[in-house]
Amino acid sequence: AQKVTQAQTEISVVEKEDVTLDCVYETRDTTYYLFWYKQPPSGELVFLIRRNSFDEQNEISGRYSWNFQKSTSSFNFTITASQVVDSAVYFCALYMRSGGSNYKLTFGKGTLLTVNP
Amino acid sequence: ETGVTQTPRHLVMGMTNKKSLKCEQHLGHNAMYWYKQSAKKPLELMFVYSLEERVENNSVPSRFSPECPNSSHLFLHLHTLQPEDSALYLCASSQERGPYYEQYFGPGTRLTVT
Repeated sequence: AQKVTQAQTEISVVEKEDVTLDCVYETRDTTYYLFWYKQPPSGELVFLIRRNSFDEQNEISGRYSWNFQKSTSSFNFTITASQVVDSAVYFCALYMRSGGSNYKLTFGKGTLLTVNP
Repeated sequence: ETGVTQTPRHLVMGMTNKKSLKCEQHLGHNAMYWYKQSAKKPLELMFVYSLEERVENNSVPSRFSPECPNSSHLFLHLHTLQPEDSALYLCASSQERGPYYEQYFGPGTRLTVT
């Protein structure tokens, strides 16, 4: 079975603090894809990053960075110098075959990040 | 309008009502999806359409009936729902099916079944 675990249900930080959101996944496949999405209060999920299982390079995009560790099945997300606008629910997701030729994006339960001024 | 739009944004319906949720994407995508987001539960994929053909139905009760008349529009017809069906229903689209294509989401319809 494939599963995505985001152990942190809620995190609260003060502006300018760095914060790391954890994501641990389970899969038996060797080929899979990992995603992070942001869901602001307006409701729509916003795509942040995609990483395939063969690319373990860490990625940095502005204040965002991602640490992919296959050895620990983790794909953690760090926001540096957090801002109030970063307040949202963040979802980690795993995309892999769900049967036959079907693929499915399986989401974790999400982490609610609140950045206080 | 740009992106993925959903109407209505909020809907309250009784268990004997029939209503429909509408999704429209202005991105020229070929795949569309319905997700259900309940409180304290992960997003659940309900249906996938590719080129207007339903390609996945993830054990969704028959009281939910999707329709995809063309590649830009997706509907979710609702009838005789239960209170546990109250949730945020999200529509998404992607260029094609598959992991190489990120999904773009609409703002959702907040459904309350009374």
